[in-house]
Amino acid sequence: EVQLVESGGGLVQPGGSLRLSCAASGFTFSSYAMSWVRQAPGKGLEWVSAISGSGGSTYYADSVKGRFTISRDNSKNTLYLQMNSLRAEDTAVYYCAKCFGIAVADYFDYWGQGTLVTVSS
Amino acid sequence: DIQMTQSPSSLSASVGDRVTITCQASQDISNYLNWYQQKPGKAPKLLIYDASNLETGVPSRFSGSGSGTDFTFTISSLQPEDIATYYCQQYDNLPTFGGGTKVEIK
Repeated sequence: EVQLVESGGGLVQPGGSLRLSCAASGFTFSSYAMSWVRQAPGKGLEWVSAISGSGGSTYYADSVKGRFTISRDNSKNTLYLQMNSLRAEDTAVYYCAKCFGIAVADYFDYWGQGTLVTVSS
Repeated sequence: DIQMTQSPSSLSASVGDRVTITCQASQDISNYLNWYQQKPGKAPKLLIYDASNLETGVPSRFSGSGSGTDFTFTISSLQPEDIATYYCQQYDNLPTFGGGTKVEIK
């Protein structure tokens, strides 16, 4: 059974940093691209970032480019999102999502339960 | 960026009704279009991929069609458990989602 479990969310001040983790199990982690998708309170879904199965290719939404860094440790079956220079508008539930393919973010066939990030002073 | 315009933003229908949601892309995305269902407090769930393919285990009352810029998602007979918000998502370029359609029971 595929499982994705996010952790690392919490309250952080504007300008601060946070690192999210997503522990994956139930599939060959290195064979699939992975993504982060977020949802601000009461709002729709926004794709944030994706990384290829090998970790060699990364992609970002314009809204986070230069501030967020996606990475993965295939030996630990874990996906990460390092978030720096956080802003109030980054407040959201962050979901880890498994992509169908290895190289690109196509469709998201499994999702974690989400972790809430609140940016506020 | 490819913009996805989803309509309506909300709808109210009776149990057993046919429900249709549309999604329009700002440019040709071939069939790179997916549909998700999200119930309150839960993660999204993939229903339809590549415009018209039903994900394994999803009831056959859900269907999708379209290509290019215009896509349609249909629930053939609305059930109480279908109350949710539905999102389209393209992946011709970096992924983007539509704004969502909240489906309620009349």
